[in-house]
Amino acid sequence: LAKTTQPISMDSYEGQEVNITCSHNNIATNDYITWYQQFPSQGPRFIIQGYKTKVTNEVASLFIPADRKSSTLSLPRVSLSDTAVYYCLVWGGGNKLTFGTGTQLKVEL
Amino acid sequence: EAQVTQNPRYLITVTGKKLTVTCSQNMNHEYMSWYRQDPGLGLRQIYYSMNVEVTDKGDVPEGYKVSRKEKRNFPLILESPSPNQTSLYFCASSPLGQGAWTDTQYFGPGTRLTVL
Repeated sequence: LAKTTQPISMDSYEGQEVNITCSHNNIATNDYITWYQQFPSQGPRFIIQGYKTKVTNEVASLFIPADRKSSTLSLPRVSLSDTAVYYCLVWGGGNKLTFGTGTQLKVEL
Repeated sequence: EAQVTQNPRYLITVTGKKLTVTCSQNMNHEYMSWYRQDPGLGLRQIYYSMNVEVTDKGDVPEGYKVSRKEKRNFPLILESPSPNQTSLYFCASSPLGQGAWTDTQYFGPGTRLTVL
């Protein structure tokens, strides 16, 4: 299982771009990288997923370098409502799933 | 509406009194899983199931049991709850498709359990 390491917390202001990096040094060939967002007392919800290079959807971008040992979630122009915990998950078809401790993002005015 | 439901949402009980938290999904997903979430520890997997009658331990299975008799249901059983099982519990499901790792997990709303 690929272990992930993320910053415990980050602070930002409304309108700024936020980049959260996740390290996964022992990622395996068949592992995909998925990011989830969680608000207090709610279940995590899917944000974005990728295997390599760059993926973009309506809410975020995911940058994965060629060696795939890290990934960066990019949130453009954050707002107060983006205050949440963000989890990076690396999962490659093994049955067990291991989430990291997540990154608490706090957005202020 | 595609969803994962859990019941109850909140439960306060006493040490040793058996309880069951139900989980049901209406998406015909093969994979289902239980997690507990504690401050500073993130989400930790308790048990998972790849399909009916197929279950296996996650990272923190001690003190818990599960069963998967039907595809849609995956109850979590605490035979003799203890205070260290006070936590926020989430059930999740995912299709397996070509490989579960490419499919997202859908989480339930959570069950907040307090064991006195």
